[in-house]
Amino acid sequence: EVQLVQSGAEVKKPGESLKISCKGSGYSFTKYWITWVRQMPGKGLEWMGIIFPGDSDTRYSPSFQGQVAISADKSISTAYLQWSSLTASDTAIYYCARLYGGSSWSGLDYWGQGTPLTVSS
Amino acid sequence: DIVMTQSPLFLPVTPGESASISCRSSQSLLHSNGYNYLDWYVQRPGQSPQLLIYLGSTRASGVPDRFSGSGSGTDFTLKISRVESEDVGLYYCMQGRHTPALTFGGGTKVEIK
Repeated sequence: EVQLVQSGAEVKKPGESLKISCKGSGYSFTKYWITWVRQMPGKGLEWMGIIFPGDSDTRYSPSFQGQVAISADKSISTAYLQWSSLTASDTAIYYCARLYGGSSWSGLDYWGQGTPLTVSS
Repeated sequence: DIVMTQSPLFLPVTPGESASISCRSSQSLLHSNGYNYLDWYVQRPGQSPQLLIYLGSTRASGVPDRFSGSGSGTDFTLKISRVESEDVGLYYCMQGRHTPALTFGGGTKVEIK
């Protein structure tokens, strides 16, 4: 069974750093991209960036370039989303999802359960 | 950057009737392979988003045939036939034509009247 299991809810203070995770199982982790999506309270889905764990090829949305870092450790089938200095505007739910890395397209067919992040002083 | 525009923002529907959501792209999503790289997702209350339709019109595994996608190029439509109460949620289109960069539409909230 394919699963993407994300790390749990976080409550942080402004200026703190954070790294959240997304662990894939039940499939070949290095054959799929992992993408990160933000959903601010009461708002829609925003694409943040994407990584191909097979070679660590990483792309960012212009809106998030320089604001976050995406990485992956293929040895443990886990992708990460990291902040060096959080602000209140980072308060949101963050989802990971997979995208097939081959020539065929099948959309974001599996999603994680989401990691809620609250940043407040 | 590709901009995805959905309408309407809110869609009240009567159970048993049909509903349609429009999605327009600022650039063509038609690939030279003949496929449109346009997906539809639904986010039911309190849940993660879920894939409904990919490549414009192909239903994902387990998706009822009440859901259908159509369109090509820059104009796409998601139709829900015989709406049920479980169809309540936020519906998003997403382009994959410029993979790995992705773009979501703003979302349409489907509610039961």
